[in-house]
This record gives sequence, C-alpha cells and structure tokens, in this order.
Amino acid sequence: EVQLVESGGGLVQPGGSLRLSCAASGFTFSSYWMSWVRQAPGKGLEWVANIKQDGSEKYYVDSVKGRFTISRDNAKNSLYLQMNSLRAEDTAVYYCARGGGIVNWFDPWGQGTLVTVSS
Amino acid sequence: EIVLTQSPATLSLSPGERATLSCRASQSVSSYLAWYQQKPGQAPRLLIYDASNRATGIPARFSGSGSGTDFTLTISSLEPEDFAVYYCQQRSNWPPVFTFGPGTKVDIK
Repeated sequence: EVQLVESGGGLVQPGGSLRLSCAASGFTFSSYWMSWVRQAPGKGLEWVANIKQDGSEKYYVDSVKGRFTISRDNAKNSLYLQMNSLRAEDTAVYYCARGGGIVNWFDPWGQGTLVTVSS
Repeated sequence: EIVLTQSPATLSLSPGERATLSCRASQSVSSYLAWYQQKPGQAPRLLIYDASNRATGIPARFSGSGSGTDFTLTISSLEPEDFAVYYCQQRSNWPPVFTFGPGTKVDIK
C-alpha cells in the first residue's frame, strides 16, 4: 500500500523555524517527483514546493521563496521541508504528496501535519 | 500566473441528482487539469487527472471534460458520500508550478 506520513508540525513563534518530514512507503520513492501542499484553516489548497527525483530541480510558490527549502533523502525514502522566518500566514496543515512534476497531479496525499505560527 | 476560478461556490443538491461543477483557467492549460475531493478532516483525494481520466478506484459516476480554459466535473447521480468540497488544479507548462481553484462545496439540499 502506498503511504505517506508527515511529522514535525507544531506551534512556533513568528520568525522561528521548523522542519517537516514525510516518510514514504509502498512505492519506489526515488522514481517520483514529490511535493508539499498546504491548507490554511478553513481555506483552500496551496501548492508550496516540489522536487525532482534526484533533487536537481526544486520549485517554490513565490510566497515562500528564500524562506523554505525542500529536500529529499532517497536512501531513507523521506521528503523534508525546512521552514525558516515563519510568519502567521504560514499557519496551515502541510500535506506531503506524490507527484507534481512531469506528472501533472498529486496522488496520494499524506494525512497532513499542522503548523501554527503564533506568539 | 494562471488563475483558476470555480463555480458555483456552493451547490445544494439532493442524493440522486446530477452535479455539474465548473473550473475556468485565466489562460490555456491544455489538458493539465486535475480534480480532487476533500471531506472534513481528511486529505484531498485525486478523482480526475489530465482533464478526463478517472484515477484508480474512482467510481464511474465521476467524469471530467474540457480542454484549454474551460473544464467540467460531473457527478452523474450523487451518493451520500459525495457531499464534500471539490478542487480543480492546473500545472503551468514549465517550470512545473501548480495552482488550485478556490473550491466548490457540494452540500445536501
């Protein structure tokens, strides 16, 4: 069974940092682009970042450029999102999803991890 | 940046009725359009990819159509489990950046 499990969310003060992780299983992780998508409370979905199979290409939504870094470790079947200089508007559930490169869609998604930026 | 608009914002229907959801792009996205279903407290689930292809395990009552700037998701006969929020999503040609529409909520009339 294909599975994605996020972790690392929590409460952080504005200006702080947090690192999210996504553990993948049930498929050949190194063969897929991977992405992060977020959803602010009561709001819609927003794509955040994606990364190519070998990590050689990475793309970001404008609002997180220079603050967030996506990375992966294919040996550990894991995806990461390093989030620095966090702002209140970054408060959201962050989902890890397979796809988002040559493949034009996201499937499947993890269950999400909540990040709350507040003093 | 390509902007997606969805209409209506809310669709109130009864089980057994047909649902027609619209997604319009600010410029052509070819067939790079996907649809997702999201229920409260759950992650989104892929329904349709490349405008008209049903994802694995998706019932035949869900269908997608369109190309260019105008797309439609049709649920032929609503089941109780279909009441949810539906999002469309597109991929820009290159680099691969993505945007979602604001969503259509299908609720029980």
